[in-house]
Amino acid sequence: QVQLVESGGGVVQPGRSLGLSCAASGFTFSSYAMHWVRQAPGKGLEWVAVISYDGRNKYYADSVKGRFTISRDNSKNTLYLRMNSLRVEDTAVYYCAREGEQLDYWGQGTLVTVSS
Amino acid sequence: AIQMTQSPSSLSASVGDRVTITCRASQGIRNDLGWYQQKPGKAPQLLIYAASSLQSGVPSRFSGSGSGTDFTLTISSLQPEDFATYYCLQDYNYPYTFGQGTKLEIK
Repeated sequence: QVQLVESGGGVVQPGRSLGLSCAASGFTFSSYAMHWVRQAPGKGLEWVAVISYDGRNKYYADSVKGRFTISRDNSKNTLYLRMNSLRVEDTAVYYCAREGEQLDYWGQGTLVTVSS
Repeated sequence: AIQMTQSPSSLSASVGDRVTITCRASQGIRNDLGWYQQKPGKAPQLLIYAASSLQSGVPSRFSGSGSGTDFTLTISSLQPEDFATYYCLQDYNYPYTFGQGTKLEIK
């Protein structure tokens, strides 16, 4: 069965960096585009970034462009999100999701808290 | 970026009711729209894709319609497990954008 498991969340000070991972299993990872979506506490969903199946194409939300980098390692079935220059407003649960028909499978999320 | 305006933001209904949630796009998006259900502390789950196609495993009481700029999610007969928050998502172009959500509560 399809599984997506995020890791790497935690508490970090403003201006610092953090990296998230999403381990995929149960499907041919290298055939699917992958996304990151986040949700601030008590708020709605915000799309963050996408990477194509082969890693060649990447797109970002304006709110993270220039600070976040999405990447993937198809040999390890793993998706990444490198987050630099973190801000208090980046505090959220970060989900990875597979793009089949829309975002058809999601991980359980990992909480990132940006606080001094 | 395409703006997705979802309404209502909250809705009170009873078991057995028929409910409709709408999403309006700031520009035409063909039928490139999906609907998601999210329960507290859980990841969103896809209900509908391509505006009207039912995701595998989703009960048939859920249905979607619309194209262009106006879309609806209908639940034909509310069940206790349907009380949750619902979001639309346009995948017409990047950046993808979600509606602000509709919280469906028990009356």
